[in-house]
Amino acid sequence: NAGVMQNPRHLVRRRGQEARLRCSPMKGHSHVYWYRQLPEEGLKFMVYLQKENIIDESGMPKERFSAEFPKEGPSILRIQQVVRGDSAAYFCASSPPGQGWANEQFFGPGTRLTVL
Amino acid sequence: AQKITQTQPGMFVQEKEAVTLDCTYDTSDQSYGLFWYKQPSSGEMIFLIYQGSYDEQNATEGRYSLNFQKARKSANLVISASQLGDSAMYFCAMREENTNAGKSTFGDGTTLTVKP
Repeated sequence: NAGVMQNPRHLVRRRGQEARLRCSPMKGHSHVYWYRQLPEEGLKFMVYLQKENIIDESGMPKERFSAEFPKEGPSILRIQQVVRGDSAAYFCASSPPGQGWANEQFFGPGTRLTVL
Repeated sequence: AQKITQTQPGMFVQEKEAVTLDCTYDTSDQSYGLFWYKQPSSGEMIFLIYQGSYDEQNATEGRYSLNFQKARKSANLVISASQLGDSAMYFCAMREENTNAGKSTFGDGTTLTVKP
C-alpha cells in the first residue's frame, strides 16, 4: 500500500506564473489536508477536503489560492500569480473516513515551491 | 493564544543520553489527540508517537515516550539513548474532536542536535 504521494517534489516558478501541486492520498483515504511550512516555521493548516467537497478552508489565503479533490484523481492545490512569499514547503496529509481526530494523519513528502 | 507551544527552539544532547522536548497545549475539547513528528533535513514528516486525551498510560514507541500530564496540559517527548540520527526538527501537534474538524495544529518546533 503506497503512502501519500505528492508531485512534483520540487517546483520552481517565476513571479506571476501558476503553480499546481498534486496529492494522491493513501488507498482508501477520503480525507485530505493541505499544510504550508514557511522556512524555520511549523506547519500551518490551509484546507481540508473530502471527495468533491471543501470542508474547511479557514487557513487558505483569500486570493490566488484554491484547492479541489475531485471524484477521480488527485487533490490539487493551485496557486495563481505566484509571489516570492509563496515559497515554502507544501505538505499533503490523508486520513481514512470516519476516523476523526484520534488517528494519525499520514503525510506526503511535500512539494518545495521556489518562486524566483 | 497559541494552541501548541514548544518553548525550546534548539536543544543539544550528548549521544547515548536522554533528552526531553517540551510541549504544552491549549484546548477546551475533552477529546483530543497529541502527536509528535520528526522532520530530518531531508524534509519529510515522520510520525513518532501518539497520545489520546483519554489514555491513562503514557504512550511509548521504542526509544520514544510521551510524558503526558493532562492537568498541566503538557505532552513532552522523551528520547532515550540518543543517536546521531536523531538530529532533526521535532514538532508537537494536536487534533481536537470538536473545534478543528480534525485538522492538526502544530507548534513551531524544536531543533535537536545530538553531539558525538
